[in-house]
Amino acid sequence: KQEVTQIPAALSVPEGENLVLNCSFTDSAIYNLQWFRQDPGKGLTSLLLIQSSQREQTSGRLNASLDKSSGRSTLYIAASQPGDSATYLCAVQDPVGGSEKLVFGKGTKLTVNP
Amino acid sequence: KAGVTQTPRYLIKTRGQQVTLSCSPISGHRSVSWYQQTPGQGLQFLFEYFSETQRNKGNFPGRFSGRQFSNSRSEMNVSTLELGDSALYLCASSWGLAGGLYNEQFFGPGTRLTVL
Repeated sequence: KQEVTQIPAALSVPEGENLVLNCSFTDSAIYNLQWFRQDPGKGLTSLLLIQSSQREQTSGRLNASLDKSSGRSTLYIAASQPGDSATYLCAVQDPVGGSEKLVFGKGTKLTVNP
Repeated sequence: KAGVTQTPRYLIKTRGQQVTLSCSPISGHRSVSWYQQTPGQGLQFLFEYFSETQRNKGNFPGRFSGRQFSNSRSEMNVSTLELGDSALYLCASSWGLAGGLYNEQFFGPGTRLTVL
């Protein structure tokens, strides 16, 4: 059974700092990995999707990497801003029966202080 | 283009009642999935529909059911509500085709269900 873990559970940093969020998964047979952002009481916003054949994806100040063999992914946020404050969720998609079921970690709650 | 929409946004029900939540996917998307989010359990998969067929189902009791219509809109129903059903219910849509970017999932704003 696939399990996803995110460390740390919470992180507080001063504005301008570069930071790394970690995600690990137990079964390396994944279709892809997706990073999301969730603001309090809101839905999920897709940040980056890394296909199983890829090693990394970049979007603006965000860079996500994937190491399937070790079951790890990292989300790098450069020059953090107060507007980056949110919970960041990592999810993997298992290629079981063509389903698109996502298995989520519990998230990392990020606070960027002005 | 319009994103995933969910209605209603907020619901308050009492124990024993039933509730129906609605999800309209992004235009052209044929796959709709439902998730329950609670502070204790996080995000848990409920079920997934593709072209009006249930493709996968999570580990939830039979009180939770869903369906998808020919226009890809989906509804989920919870009967005999319990206090523990209070949660944020999220739906996600994608193209539903095999592989890569076709599987990128986009979430709606959710329906906040409170059971009293």
